[in-house]
Amino acid sequence: GAVVSQHPSWVICKSGTSVKIECRSLDFQATTMFWYRQFPKQSLMLMATSNEGSKATYEQGVEKDKFLINHASLTLSTLTVTSAHPEDSSFYICSAIDQRVAYEQYFGPGTRLTVT
Amino acid sequence: AQSVSQHNHHVILSEAASLELGCNYSYGGTVNLFWYVQYPGQHLQLLLKYFSGDPLVKGIKGFEAEFIKSKFSFNLRKPSVQWSDTAEYFCAVNANQAGTALIFGKGTTLSVSS
Repeated sequence: GAVVSQHPSWVICKSGTSVKIECRSLDFQATTMFWYRQFPKQSLMLMATSNEGSKATYEQGVEKDKFLINHASLTLSTLTVTSAHPEDSSFYICSAIDQRVAYEQYFGPGTRLTVT
Repeated sequence: AQSVSQHNHHVILSEAASLELGCNYSYGGTVNLFWYVQYPGQHLQLLLKYFSGDPLVKGIKGFEAEFIKSKFSFNLRKPSVQWSDTAEYFCAVNANQAGTALIFGKGTTLSVSS
């Protein structure tokens, strides 16, 4: 089946630094990937839609200058949290759409970010 | 606005009890519907999905869900739960067109005691 990986799975960084999270579709091509954020014991909130070769589309309230998304290839999207603060600590999850099965998303295992 | 509502925040059951988790959605247009499960410390797994056709869909681990269009509902059911079903359950919906993001409900925590 379709597999999506994320790296790293867990990262701790100091306040003010930047962190890059990678999302890869391992066995399929994904023109569209999504980035979600999940707070403890809460649901997933869509942050942005990442389209290969074009600018990401951000949801209302998500700072595009803080959460930089790059979808440089059909198998890789990156989320960079710039100038991280403790309130950015969260679980970040990506998903990808297999072009062959357009309606279904495959989720990565998530990245736990802790900003100290 | 598009939204998904899960009525039960926390459900506590004994093993072998029957389960039904409610999910209602508000979405203008044709939709796809999903139920995901997240076991403690693990990532999301797809339980089942509805795109079209038979409104009663069967998923993995003995779960099923019924799409009732007139009620905008997609309730999840299992006739006999097991301790291993303890997890967080999320209902989600997206538009029936390629490349659209999922909108998730707030989730229901299911605790099953043995």
